[in-house]
Amino acid sequence: EVQLVESGGGLVQPGRSLRLSCAASGFTFNDHAMHWVRQGPGKGLEWVAGINWNSYEIEYADSVKGRFTISRDNANKFLYLQMNSLRTEETAWYYCAKGPPSDDSSGYLGKWGQGTLVTVSS
Amino acid sequence: SYELTQPPSLSVSPGQTASIPCSGDKLGEIYVSWYQQKPGQSPILVLYQDNKRPSGIPERFSGSNSGNTATLTISGTQTMDEADYYCQAWDSGTVTFGGGTKLTVL
Repeated sequence: EVQLVESGGGLVQPGRSLRLSCAASGFTFNDHAMHWVRQGPGKGLEWVAGINWNSYEIEYADSVKGRFTISRDNANKFLYLQMNSLRTEETAWYYCAKGPPSDDSSGYLGKWGQGTLVTVSS
Repeated sequence: SYELTQPPSLSVSPGQTASIPCSGDKLGEIYVSWYQQKPGQSPILVLYQDNKRPSGIPERFSGSNSGNTATLTISGTQTMDEADYYCQAWDSGTVTFGGGTKLTVL
């Protein structure tokens, strides 16, 4: 069974940093792109960042470029999101999501974790 | 950046057909996926590559994508289908979501 378990969320002051983790299991992690998606309270889904299977291709939403860094550890099946200079409007549930296999360019997110809540407040 | 537009809400009676549109420039030239999200839950994929259903998704969910509009169709809508639905496209390495449609079944 595919499982994605996020951790690392919590309360953080504006301007500070936080690192999210996503533990993957039940599939060949190093054959899939991975993504982070967030959802503010009462709002829609917002894609944050994506990384391909070998970390050679990384993309970010314009809103986080230069402040957030996505990375992965294929040996231990972990996805990470380093978030710096956090803003109050970035309070949201952060989801880890599994992309398609490396030979599929259709870009769907086939499985999502349960999310971890990040609250940015003073 | 690419934009996808969905109606904020839609109502349908049980047993009827719900059609949720998603529009974007030349959307028919790229693949569209659809997600269902119920309150307090993570999103789940209900359609990918325009009209393919993942394992476990009922046959009443179908999709199409042509021109500037993709459509999620739910035939014989059930009360359990009441949820928020999001379309999504992947273009030039980035993911774009529509704003979401709240489907009410009553």
